[in-house]
Amino acid sequence: ELKVEQNPLFLSMQEGKNYTIYCNYSTTSDRLYWYRQDPGKSLESLFVLLSNGAVKQEGRLMASLDTKARLSTLHITAAVHDLSATYFCASWEREYGNKLVFGAGTILRVKS
Amino acid sequence: DTEVTQTPKHLVMGMTNKKSLKCEQHMGHRAMYWYKQKAKKPPELMFVYSYEKLSINESVPSRFSPECPNSSLLNLHLHALQPEDSALYLCASSQEGKGATNEKLFFGSGTQLSVL
Repeated sequence: ELKVEQNPLFLSMQEGKNYTIYCNYSTTSDRLYWYRQDPGKSLESLFVLLSNGAVKQEGRLMASLDTKARLSTLHITAAVHDLSATYFCASWEREYGNKLVFGAGTILRVKS
Repeated sequence: DTEVTQTPKHLVMGMTNKKSLKCEQHMGHRAMYWYKQKAKKPPELMFVYSYEKLSINESVPSRFSPECPNSSLLNLHLHALQPEDSALYLCASSQEGKGATNEKLFFGSGTQLSVL
């Protein structure tokens, strides 16, 4: 069964700094999703990565996918306080039912 | 309209109560989902309906009973819940629920449930 692992689980960073969140998944998958969640709120879709080598950017966030390494990264450039949230990666499980399987989430705190 | 609407936003219920959570979407999606999320944890899938038929039940206790009256509506009926069932319940929808390449889940804002 598909397993999705994120690290780090908690990230405290200063404004203006760069950092990367990593997402590994255990079986072959052809797509990877990144979501953002603010406390007590719903999940906001950030990126859908559909192929090996896919790279997408939105503002200070850039996501990439390496299907051969079964790895996706979410890179944060020059962090600002508004990026503080929990970030989840998720992959699509095909073999044991069609469903989205989430990683544990990375809690990001950007300090002013 | 890219919204998934959930009601109520907050619900407090006793262990002997019966209540229902409601979810609605008007994006023409044919798959709808219930997820349960505890604080500081990822969402956990409970049920999936695809074309109004239950396609996935993740071994959820029978005190949770899903219902899909039509392709736009999804209910979750609650009866005799336990305090450990307190969580954020999220509804989502997607195109078909069959894992097509362009499949993308849209989430509602959730119902924060407290069981006393």
